[in-house]
Amino acid sequence: GAVVSQHPSWVICKSGTSVKIECRSLDFQATTMFWYRQFPKQSLMLMATSNEGSKATYEQGVEKDKFLINHASLTLSTLTVTSAHPEDSSFYICSAPKRTGTNSPLHFGNGTRLTVT
Amino acid sequence: GQQLNQSPQSMFIQEGEDVSMNCTSSSIFNTWLWYKQEPGEGPVLLIALYKAGELTSNGRLTAQFGITRKDSFLNISASIPSDVGIYFCAGQGTSYGKLTFGQGTILTVHP
Repeated sequence: GAVVSQHPSWVICKSGTSVKIECRSLDFQATTMFWYRQFPKQSLMLMATSNEGSKATYEQGVEKDKFLINHASLTLSTLTVTSAHPEDSSFYICSAPKRTGTNSPLHFGNGTRLTVT
Repeated sequence: GQQLNQSPQSMFIQEGEDVSMNCTSSSIFNTWLWYKQEPGEGPVLLIALYKAGELTSNGRLTAQFGITRKDSFLNISASIPSDVGIYFCAGQGTSYGKLTFGQGTILTVHP
């Protein structure tokens, strides 16, 4: 069954508005979660690492003020796309390791399709 | 930065045929992962490889972690229509959770 849950599955918003995406670990605690982005017909690219109780770590080229990440609890991380523009339209996918240790593979959520009009 | 080259980009096969795809890297990875993604969904983990030379099976799927730690392959035996999807390899280096993905292999299986 699903290990990581994302909500919503899809969202359409107007340019200039903000959108929040939730990522939950199911039946396990995740001190670290990861946010990826996937453009159509392309591969996944890591955007940021979400750390419970501390600031997120962003990859080079990702604007931290535009993509706000909050890891409020051990089972929930949120990504807020602020002042969204059409070029932010993409498939956003979160992931988390089910257990601690570097040998724990990442499990991905079902993704959120964001369309900015 | 690290780059993964995944091939082939796409495959069109008949049901029952075997499939092979591979990934090569310009640098070493500590972990190799293979995922399958279907339209509108997130990637689903198929096989995880942790040691150079490791050969692991999951049903009809077999994957190997290359001895040089710079490559991996995935084989699917006796393909069936539900194998259709995009298969991604992913490598993890020293930064835990930071996966570098291949470009994906689009698999189409004709009944």
